[in-house]
Amino acid sequence: QKEVEQNSGPLSVPEGAIASLNCTYSDRGSQSFFWYRQYSGKSPELIMFIYSNGDKEDGRFTAQLNKASQYVSLLIRDSQPSDSATYLCAVNFGGSGAGSYQLTFGKGTKLSVIP
Amino acid sequence: DTEVTQTPKHLVMGMTNKKSLKCEQHMGHRAMYWYKQKAKKPPELMFVYSYEKLSINESVPSRFSPECPNSSLLNLHLHALQPEDSALYLCASAQGILDSPLHFGNGTRLTVT
Repeated sequence: QKEVEQNSGPLSVPEGAIASLNCTYSDRGSQSFFWYRQYSGKSPELIMFIYSNGDKEDGRFTAQLNKASQYVSLLIRDSQPSDSATYLCAVNFGGSGAGSYQLTFGKGTKLSVIP
Repeated sequence: DTEVTQTPKHLVMGMTNKKSLKCEQHMGHRAMYWYKQKAKKPPELMFVYSYEKLSINESVPSRFSPECPNSSLLNLHLHALQPEDSALYLCASAQGILDSPLHFGNGTRLTVT
């Protein structure tokens, strides 16, 4: 069974702090990994994607991937109250062709940034 | 603004009704998806279309019937639904290559009475 695991939280951090969100996945052969942010009642929006081991930075966001440990994380620096949302980790357990490409989502971590 | 457009935004239907959800994208993506999301749960994959052909059906009940008339359009036909089918229905599209993400529409909030 291909699974994506996240701590459901809630994770509370003070404004300006670093928020650290973690995700593990079951299939060692997975190749692409995504972080989505979802506000209540809204659809998921893409924050970052990563497919190589190491770190990838985009503004205040850093995605980290460790394929040996089957672990992917998202760091949010200088957290703002507007970052308060549910963060979904998603893994492509399919192949690279259009027909087999599909994302499986973790249950999400609810982040609250306290002013 | 999202590049994947879903209509309607909200839909209330009775268990004997027939309705359709619509999705449109103009990004040239070759894969289109239907996901279902219940409150406080992650999106769950329902169907995948690749090059206008159904490639994945995640054992979805036949009261949900997908259709892909062309590469830009995706429909979900609904018939004889149950109250437990009430959820947010999300359409998404993707290039389908290794690092291409899913682009979600704003979703249709469906309530079955």
